[in-house]
Amino acid sequence: DGGITQSPKYLFRKEGQNVTLSCEQNLNHDAMYWYRQDPGQGLRLIYYSQIVNDFQKGDIAEGYSVSREKKESFPLTVTSAQKNPTAFYLCASSISRSGNTIYFGEGSWLTVV
Amino acid sequence: EDQVTQSPEALRLQEGESSSLNCSYTVSGLRGLFWYRQDPGKGPEFLFTLYSAGEEKEKERLKATLTKKESFLHITAPKPEDSATYLCAVQGAAGNKLTFGGGTRVLVKP
Repeated sequence: DGGITQSPKYLFRKEGQNVTLSCEQNLNHDAMYWYRQDPGQGLRLIYYSQIVNDFQKGDIAEGYSVSREKKESFPLTVTSAQKNPTAFYLCASSISRSGNTIYFGEGSWLTVV
Repeated sequence: EDQVTQSPEALRLQEGESSSLNCSYTVSGLRGLFWYRQDPGKGPEFLFTLYSAGEEKEKERLKATLTKKESFLHITAPKPEDSATYLCAVQGAAGNKLTFGGGTRVLVKP
C-alpha cells in the first residue's frame, strides 16, 4: 500500500539524549514535512524539504535537526537542546512544493522521562 | 503572518443534530484552505481542499464552504462515527507550508 510510515509509534527518552524519528514515504512525493502537535493545540511546522539534499526551518526548528539524503526518507532528530520535547510528531508529504494537498503519517509519540 | 482560528473549540451533538464548524483565516494570497479529520492518537486524514471564495465540496455528511474570510464545515445528520477533531489549515502565497487552527473537537452522542 502507498503511504507514509512513521516509526516508532511510541518512544521514551531520558533527558540529555538525542532521539531520531523515522519517516518513509512510497508516494513518490517531492516535498516532506515534520509537524509537532501538543495536546489541545494545532500543528506547528518544524522543518520541511522540497527536494533531496535541501531543507528549510519551519516555525519551531530550535532543538531539532533533519536530513534528506533520499527522496523517500526524511528523519527527524530531537536533540537534547529541545527544552520541551514531549509531544506528538507528525510527518507529512505532498506531490510538489506548491499548492498541493499534504498527507500525513500516523504519528510518533515522544515522551521524555 | 498567516493565522487560522477555529470555533467552537468543542461541540457536543445528538445523533442527527446538524451543525457547523467555523474557520476564520487571514492569509497573504490564499493558495488553498484544507480540512482534515483527526481521530485520537492518529494522523490527520485529508477531507477537502478549497481554492476560491464561493467554492463548495461535499463528502457524505460533510460539506465545506469558503468565503474570503472564513470557511464552514457543515455536518448534516451526524452519526457517532463522525466524532473526531476537525482541523482547518491555510496555505499562503509565501510557501507550501500549512498554518493550522487549533481544531474543533466534535462528539456525537447516540
